[in-house]
Amino acid sequence: ILNVEQSPQSLHVQEGDSTNFTCSFPSSNFYALHWYRWETAKSPEALFVMTLNGDEKKKGRISATLNTKEGYSYLYIKGSQPEDSATYLCAFMRGNDMRFGAGTRLTVKP
Amino acid sequence: EAQVTQNPRYLITVTGKKLTVTCSQNMNHEYMSWYRQDPGLGLRQIYYSMNVEVTDKGDVPEGYKVSRKEKRNFPLILESPSPNQTSLYFCASRRLSTYEQYFGPGTRLTVT
Repeated sequence: ILNVEQSPQSLHVQEGDSTNFTCSFPSSNFYALHWYRWETAKSPEALFVMTLNGDEKKKGRISATLNTKEGYSYLYIKGSQPEDSATYLCAFMRGNDMRFGAGTRLTVKP
Repeated sequence: EAQVTQNPRYLITVTGKKLTVTCSQNMNHEYMSWYRQDPGLGLRQIYYSMNVEVTDKGDVPEGYKVSRKEKRNFPLILESPSPNQTSLYFCASRRLSTYEQYFGPGTRLTVT
């Protein structure tokens, strides 16, 4: 069974705060780890796809790291803004099997 | 514009009335997939297809059928919908050679 766990389930921060979330996944037979940003009433939008242990990706104020040996990935948001409010999903890929975590719901208060 | 489209976006139906949700992509992607999203459970894969005439079950295939007669289309068929299939459904596609997946806008289905 491919269990993907995300924590925390939800997070409320003030504008300007930096924050981070965790995605845990099985460490064997790793193919790729995806991060998506999902706003209500929209489709999930790809943020990062990471494939190598030690990968670090960055897009603006958002960055992610990957540790395939221990089976975790962190997503960081620096200086959160209200428009960052969304659910952040991670997905673990092994072959053509892709398993999603339940997501971390971020609310950024002005 | 490169996109994945789904129709309808919203559907309310009754138990047992067959329905089809269409999915189409214009990116010539080999891989297409259907997911359902339920609160607290994340996205769960229903079926996927690696190319025309090739389909496989995902995590939760019971009560669903799919077909892949053309590369661009991957319809989801509910032969006899039941209330436990009330959910938000997403179609997605990607190239087999890459990992980045593109999602459609979602279809919210209610079965009464």
